[in-house]
Formats: sequence, structure tokens, C-alpha cells
Amino acid sequence: ETGVTQSPTHLIKTRGQQVTLRCSSQSGHNTVSWYQQALGQGPQFIFQYYREEENGRGNFPPRFSGLQFPNYSSELNVNALELDDSALYLCASSLLWGRTEAFFGQGTRLTVV
Amino acid sequence: AQTVTQSQPEMSVQEAETVTLSCTYDTSESDYYLFWYKQPPSRQMILVIRQEAYKQQNATENRFSVNFQKAAKSFSLKISDSQLGDAAMYFCAYRSVDEVQGAQKLVFGQGTRLTINP
Repeated sequence: ETGVTQSPTHLIKTRGQQVTLRCSSQSGHNTVSWYQQALGQGPQFIFQYYREEENGRGNFPPRFSGLQFPNYSSELNVNALELDDSALYLCASSLLWGRTEAFFGQGTRLTVV
Repeated sequence: AQTVTQSQPEMSVQEAETVTLSCTYDTSESDYYLFWYKQPPSRQMILVIRQEAYKQQNATENRFSVNFQKAAKSFSLKISDSQLGDAAMYFCAYRSVDEVQGAQKLVFGQGTRLTINP
């Protein structure tokens, strides 16, 4: 157990809809990162939040957005869903500037039809 | 930009035997971290082992060890005495730091699917 939980575990949405995925970080961790993992691929970095502010983004459009709350919870929001958004979404919590690893949740499997 | 390459999409090994998974990476940084993660069917990424680039000694965690060749930018994982529970996808990852914004992100390879034959 990593102490990082995600909800829901599975989700089916229709193209054009909006979706919110949730993550509960490990207590004490000030940083949360989100990754997209397409089938058969390695995870790709979406963005990172540190103390409720986005401090880094990968090659993802603005319709991917996030929030981080003081109670160690966070959200990934995706607007105007496209078929290619179908993937496993992983969140990872860690300490910024610490020589520690990231702890991952079990992921949310999003299917866009 | 940093890249990570795993050239073996699939590997298989007999139970109790030893297997080595390969990983190469590209970076211009001198201080960084490398990781091997395991992803079983439960989907959760589990840290297997970590190597700090400034340490010359290869990391070891029980049956898992790495061969870190900094000059060659190579970071292979050796699993000794393979067990059925080792079957999973294995990802090599490099941790990069955004010098402007400070974000730490993991750059993953494509993964190697490891099968353990009883």
C-alpha cells in the first residue's frame, strides 16, 4: 500500500463530455503529479502541483487542468473529451526537493466512446 | 529533453532463474535519479529500486539489483531467483527537474513485460 488512492477506478464517458478524476495523496506530501498511460505505453507526465499551484506541465493541451487542496486531495479535469483521451490516469504524490520517490495510486481507467 | 529506452518489449524466465532487463537513457545532467517500477495487473506502480547518479555503488534491494553505467547511460535491472509474483510490466524511469518551475517529473520507458514460467 502506497497511501495514495484514486477514484473512481473505472469510468466511461462520451466524446465531448467533461470528466473529473480524484486523488488522495499520502499525508505530508506537498506535491502531486498526474500521468496518462495509454494502452501498452509508459506513463506520460501531464502536470505537477506544488502547494496548490501548477509548477510544471508536459505536452498536454489546456483542456487538461487540475486542482490541489490543502487536505492532500487533488483533481484532474479534462474538458471536451476526445477518443484519444482513453487511458489509465495515474496520480503520484511526493515531497518536492526531497530525495524521495513518488508514490502512485492504482489509477483510473477512462474510456471515451 | 531526457529520453528513456527499453529495447525489450517482452522477456520470459524460468522460475528461480535470473533475468536482466535493459534500459538506456539520454541526459545532459550530471545529478539525477533513476528508478525501476513494477506494474502488475492491479495497475499500481510499485517502486522496485532507486539509483542516485552521484553514487558509484550499484543499488541492491534483496533479489533486485542494478548495473548502473553512468558513462554509457545504461541502467539494467537484474532479478535473481525469479518468483511467480515477479511477473509484471517493468518500467525504467528518469527523474528530471524543471530548472525554471522546479517541477520534478518522471520520464518513463516503454516498458518490458516479464513472464515467469513455472
